Amino acid sequence: DAKTTQPPSMDCAEGRAANLPCNHSTISGNEYVYWYRQIHSQGPQYIIHGLKNNETNEMASLIITEDRKSSTLILPHATLRDTAVYYCIVRVRGGGFKTIFGAGTRLFVKA
Amino acid sequence: NAGVTQTPKFRILKIGQSMTLQCAQDMNHNYMYWYRQDPGMGLKLIYYSVGAGITDKGEVPNGYNVSRSTTEDFPLRLELAAPSQTSVYFCASSHDREIEAFFGQGTRLTVV
Repeated sequence: DAKTTQPPSMDCAEGRAANLPCNHSTISGNEYVYWYRQIHSQGPQYIIHGLKNNETNEMASLIITEDRKSSTLILPHATLRDTAVYYCIVRVRGGGFKTIFGAGTRLFVKA
Repeated sequence: NAGVTQTPKFRILKIGQSMTLQCAQDMNHNYMYWYRQDPGMGLKLIYYSVGAGITDKGEVPNGYNVSRSTTEDFPLRLELAAPSQTSVYFCASSHDREIEAFFGQGTRLTVV
Protein backbone atom coordinates (compact mmCIF):
# COMPACT_ATOMS: atom_id res chain seq x y z
CA ASP A 1 0.00 0.00 0.00
CA ALA A 2 1.22 3.50 -0.85
CA LYS A 3 2.43 5.69 1.98
CA THR A 4 0.63 8.95 2.69
CA THR A 5 1.82 12.24 4.17
CA GLN A 6 -0.52 14.65 5.96
CA PRO A 7 0.09 17.81 7.99
CA PRO A 8 -0.22 17.09 11.73
CA SER A 9 -2.76 19.84 12.39
CA MET A 10 -4.86 22.54 10.76
CA ASP A 11 -7.26 25.28 11.85
CA CYS A 12 -10.44 26.38 10.14
CA ALA A 13 -13.06 29.02 10.94
CA GLU A 14 -16.59 27.80 11.44
CA GLY A 15 -18.64 28.17 8.26
CA ARG A 16 -15.60 28.27 6.02
CA ALA A 17 -14.34 25.47 3.81
CA ALA A 18 -11.76 23.16 5.32
CA ASN A 19 -9.21 21.85 2.81
CA LEU A 20 -7.16 18.91 4.07
CA PRO A 21 -4.22 17.87 1.86
CA CYS A 22 -2.68 14.45 1.44
CA ASN A 23 0.41 13.46 -0.49
CA HIS A 24 0.68 9.94 -1.91
CA SER A 25 3.44 10.19 -4.50
CA THR A 26 4.02 6.41 -4.69
CA ILE A 27 0.40 5.54 -5.42
CA SER A 28 -0.07 2.83 -8.03
CA GLY A 29 -2.71 2.65 -10.73
CA ASN A 30 -5.12 0.34 -8.90
CA GLU A 31 -4.96 2.07 -5.52
CA TYR A 32 -7.84 4.14 -4.22
CA VAL A 33 -7.71 7.15 -1.91
CA TYR A 34 -9.90 6.84 1.19
CA TRP A 35 -10.67 9.34 3.91
CA TYR A 36 -11.83 8.57 7.43
CA ARG A 37 -12.20 10.75 10.48
CA GLN A 38 -12.17 10.12 14.20
CA ILE A 39 -14.05 12.40 16.53
CA HIS A 40 -12.80 12.54 20.11
CA SER A 41 -11.62 8.92 20.41
CA GLN A 42 -14.79 7.46 18.94
CA GLY A 43 -14.49 4.77 16.30
CA PRO A 44 -13.25 6.04 12.91
CA GLN A 45 -15.96 7.07 10.46
CA TYR A 46 -15.78 6.57 6.70
CA ILE A 47 -16.08 9.83 4.73
CA ILE A 48 -15.37 9.30 1.05
CA HIS A 49 -13.13 7.51 -1.44
CA GLY A 50 -12.04 7.86 -5.08
CA LEU A 51 -9.73 6.48 -7.76
CA LYS A 52 -8.98 9.33 -10.17
CA ASN A 53 -12.16 11.33 -10.64
CA ASN A 54 -13.30 13.94 -8.16
CA GLU A 55 -15.99 12.66 -5.84
CA THR A 56 -18.67 14.35 -3.75
CA ASN A 57 -21.14 13.07 -1.19
CA GLU A 58 -23.24 14.57 1.56
CA MET A 59 -20.25 14.92 3.86
CA ALA A 60 -17.39 16.12 1.68
CA SER A 61 -15.67 16.42 -1.68
CA LEU A 62 -12.50 14.66 -2.74
CA ILE A 63 -10.22 16.28 -5.30
CA ILE A 64 -7.49 14.05 -6.77
CA THR A 65 -4.76 15.61 -8.92
CA GLU A 66 -4.38 14.42 -12.49
CA ASP A 67 -1.13 12.58 -11.70
CA ARG A 68 -2.85 11.10 -8.59
CA LYS A 69 0.13 11.94 -6.41
CA SER A 70 -1.91 14.10 -4.06
CA SER A 71 -5.48 14.75 -3.03
CA THR A 72 -7.54 17.20 -0.99
CA LEU A 73 -10.54 16.53 1.19
CA ILE A 74 -12.91 19.48 1.28
CA LEU A 75 -15.50 20.06 3.99
CA PRO A 76 -17.49 22.86 2.33
CA HIS A 77 -18.94 24.53 5.44
CA ALA A 78 -17.04 23.35 8.49
CA THR A 79 -18.87 23.22 11.81
CA LEU A 80 -17.56 22.78 15.35
CA ARG A 81 -18.63 19.13 15.14
CA ASP A 82 -16.15 18.59 12.31
CA THR A 83 -13.27 18.98 14.77
CA ALA A 84 -11.57 15.58 14.49
CA VAL A 85 -8.53 13.69 13.27
CA TYR A 86 -8.75 13.04 9.52
CA TYR A 87 -6.96 10.04 8.02
CA CYS A 88 -5.97 9.70 4.37
CA ILE A 89 -5.46 6.08 3.33
CA VAL A 90 -4.33 4.67 0.00
CA ARG A 91 -4.85 1.03 -0.87
CA VAL A 92 -6.17 -1.43 -3.37
CA ARG A 93 -9.92 -1.83 -3.43
CA GLY A 94 -11.18 -5.24 -2.47
CA GLY A 95 -9.43 -7.83 -0.37
CA GLY A 96 -10.57 -6.30 2.87
CA PHE A 97 -9.46 -3.44 5.01
CA LYS A 98 -6.03 -4.33 6.36
CA THR A 99 -4.45 -0.91 6.15
CA ILE A 100 -2.65 0.63 9.08
CA PHE A 101 -3.87 4.10 9.88
CA GLY A 102 -1.22 6.81 10.21
CA ALA A 103 -1.29 9.80 12.58
CA GLY A 104 -3.64 11.84 10.36
CA THR A 105 -4.41 15.57 10.47
CA ARG A 106 -6.01 17.07 13.56
CA LEU A 107 -8.51 19.65 12.33
CA PHE A 108 -9.63 22.34 14.76
CA VAL A 109 -12.76 24.22 13.73
CA LYS A 110 -12.99 27.50 15.64
CA ALA A 111 -16.02 29.67 16.27
CA ASN B 1 -29.11 -2.46 12.52
CA ALA B 2 -26.83 -1.96 15.49
CA GLY B 3 -23.68 -2.05 13.30
CA VAL B 4 -20.56 -3.07 15.22
CA THR B 5 -20.99 -3.55 18.95
CA GLN B 6 -18.08 -3.81 21.37
CA THR B 7 -18.18 -4.80 25.00
CA PRO B 8 -17.09 -3.77 27.54
CA LYS B 9 -16.56 -0.04 27.00
CA PHE B 10 -14.04 0.26 29.82
CA ARG B 11 -11.96 -2.25 31.76
CA ILE B 12 -9.11 -2.18 34.24
CA LEU B 13 -6.94 -5.30 34.44
CA LYS B 14 -4.13 -6.24 36.75
CA ILE B 15 -0.84 -7.42 35.28
CA GLY B 16 -1.06 -11.10 34.44
CA GLN B 17 -4.84 -11.25 34.24
CA SER B 18 -6.67 -12.36 31.12
CA MET B 19 -9.81 -11.12 29.44
CA THR B 20 -11.80 -11.28 26.24
CA LEU B 21 -12.96 -8.24 24.34
CA GLN B 22 -16.21 -8.94 22.55
CA CYS B 23 -17.12 -7.72 19.08
CA ALA B 24 -20.32 -8.45 17.18
CA GLN B 25 -21.66 -7.14 13.87
CA ASP B 26 -25.12 -7.58 12.37
CA MET B 27 -24.33 -6.54 8.78
CA ASN B 28 -23.33 -10.02 7.56
CA HIS B 29 -19.84 -8.75 6.76
CA ASN B 30 -17.18 -11.32 5.97
CA TYR B 31 -14.21 -9.20 7.03
CA MET B 32 -13.61 -8.25 10.64
CA TYR B 33 -10.64 -6.51 12.24
CA TRP B 34 -9.14 -5.60 15.58
CA TYR B 35 -7.11 -2.43 15.98
CA ARG B 36 -5.42 -0.78 18.92
CA GLN B 37 -4.85 2.92 19.31
CA ASP B 38 -2.32 4.28 21.76
CA PRO B 39 -2.68 7.90 22.98
CA GLY B 40 -2.02 10.43 20.20
CA MET B 41 -1.25 7.72 17.67
CA GLY B 42 -2.95 6.18 14.66
CA LEU B 43 -4.56 2.75 14.63
CA LYS B 44 -2.53 -0.44 14.36
CA LEU B 45 -3.97 -3.69 13.08
CA ILE B 46 -3.79 -6.60 15.54
CA TYR B 47 -5.67 -9.39 13.78
CA TYR B 48 -8.18 -9.72 11.01
CA SER B 49 -10.54 -12.35 9.65
CA VAL B 50 -11.86 -12.90 6.13
CA GLY B 51 -14.64 -15.23 7.21
CA ALA B 52 -15.74 -17.73 9.81
CA GLY B 53 -12.88 -20.06 10.70
CA ILE B 54 -10.21 -17.90 9.02
CA THR B 55 -7.97 -15.46 10.88
CA ASP B 56 -4.61 -13.85 10.23
CA LYS B 57 -2.09 -11.64 11.99
CA GLY B 58 -1.83 -7.93 11.50
CA GLU B 59 1.01 -5.62 12.47
CA VAL B 60 0.99 -6.11 16.25
CA PRO B 61 -0.40 -9.59 17.11
CA ASN B 62 1.89 -10.52 20.01
CA GLY B 63 0.05 -11.01 23.28
CA TYR B 64 -3.34 -11.47 21.62
CA ASN B 65 -5.42 -14.28 20.18
CA VAL B 66 -8.61 -14.32 18.14
CA SER B 67 -11.19 -16.77 16.95
CA ARG B 68 -14.00 -16.54 14.42
CA SER B 69 -16.52 -19.31 14.90
CA THR B 70 -19.42 -17.34 13.42
CA THR B 71 -19.78 -14.55 10.87
CA GLU B 72 -21.16 -12.23 13.53
CA ASP B 73 -18.61 -12.53 16.33
CA PHE B 74 -14.88 -11.85 16.49
CA PRO B 75 -13.59 -11.89 20.09
CA LEU B 76 -10.09 -10.74 21.01
CA ARG B 77 -8.36 -12.57 23.84
CA LEU B 78 -5.63 -11.05 26.00
CA GLU B 79 -3.59 -13.57 27.93
CA LEU B 80 -1.27 -12.43 30.71
CA ALA B 81 -2.05 -8.72 30.42
CA ALA B 82 0.91 -6.31 30.43
CA PRO B 83 1.04 -2.51 30.91
CA SER B 84 2.08 -2.19 27.25
CA GLN B 85 -1.40 -3.39 26.32
CA THR B 86 -3.01 -0.32 27.84
CA SER B 87 -4.80 1.15 24.85
CA VAL B 88 -8.12 1.73 23.16
CA TYR B 89 -9.24 -1.25 21.12
CA PHE B 90 -11.45 -0.90 18.08
CA CYS B 91 -13.25 -3.64 16.20
CA ALA B 92 -14.35 -3.08 12.60
CA SER B 93 -16.06 -4.97 9.79
CA SER B 94 -16.46 -4.66 6.05
CA HIS B 95 -17.97 -6.48 3.11
CA ASP B 96 -15.34 -8.56 1.38
CA ARG B 97 -15.48 -6.57 -1.85
CA GLU B 98 -15.73 -3.19 -0.22
CA ILE B 99 -13.28 -1.17 1.77
CA GLU B 100 -15.76 0.98 3.66
CA ALA B 101 -15.22 -0.31 7.16
CA PHE B 102 -17.63 0.22 10.02
CA PHE B 103 -16.06 0.68 13.43
CA GLY B 104 -17.32 0.01 16.90
CA GLN B 105 -17.10 2.62 19.65
CA GLY B 106 -14.05 1.10 21.23
CA THR B 107 -12.96 -0.57 24.48
CA ARG B 108 -10.68 1.46 26.73
CA LEU B 109 -8.36 -0.95 28.54
CA THR B 110 -5.97 -0.07 31.32
CA VAL B 111 -3.48 -2.61 32.69
CA VAL B 112 -2.06 -1.75 36.10
